[in-house]
Amino acid sequence: SQQGEEDPQALSIQEGENATMNCSYKTSINNLQWYRQNSGRGLVHLILIRSNEREKHSGRLRVTLDTSKKSSSLLITASRAADTASYFCAFMDSNYQLIWGAGTKLIIKP
Amino acid sequence: ETGVTQTPRHLVMGMTNKKSLKCEQHLGHNAMYWYKQSAKKPLELMFVYNFKEQTENNSVPSRFSPECPNSSHLFLHLHTLQPEDSALYLCASSQFTSNPYEQYFGPGTRLTVT
Repeated sequence: SQQGEEDPQALSIQEGENATMNCSYKTSINNLQWYRQNSGRGLVHLILIRSNEREKHSGRLRVTLDTSKKSSSLLITASRAADTASYFCAFMDSNYQLIWGAGTKLIIKP
Repeated sequence: ETGVTQTPRHLVMGMTNKKSLKCEQHLGHNAMYWYKQSAKKPLELMFVYNFKEQTENNSVPSRFSPECPNSSHLFLHLHTLQPEDSALYLCASSQFTSNPYEQYFGPGTRLTVT
């Protein structure tokens, strides 16, 4: 299957803790992206990491990419209640098509 | 709210109805996409339009018919749907020539087929 695979499927942590989500893929990629979706709404682009990059930061977000293992991780530090959402990885293949994972549902408990 | 709008936000239709979903992007992009999102499944790309030309049709049943009259508007015409077509339908756009990477999504239309 071409789709990305994410784990865990669901994650529940206390506010202030760090949250880590993982994504794996099977083909060669152009880049890998992470998106967030609040309940029943559209997706919002968070961060993009290119295939020649290993780590990228944006605010409280840190993304790593290991092309030898065909995997990526998204770390959210010092989580807040507003971070409660579903997080999706999507990798772009050589045809510029985005291939999506099934998402990780993150719940931040106050 | 993003620069991509979708109407209606919710739609309930019978299997014999005909309806249309509308998407409009205000970002000056030249590529638009329809996705289907079902619970606990990856997003499924349905159709892609670059410069108003359809470039992808991922084996979507003919009961879904896209239309892209210009680079700002995208429609999805629905007829004789099945209950398994109930899902969230998302529209997205991107600027394919300069940055084909990032897609901007609308809020989606929640479709229920009865």
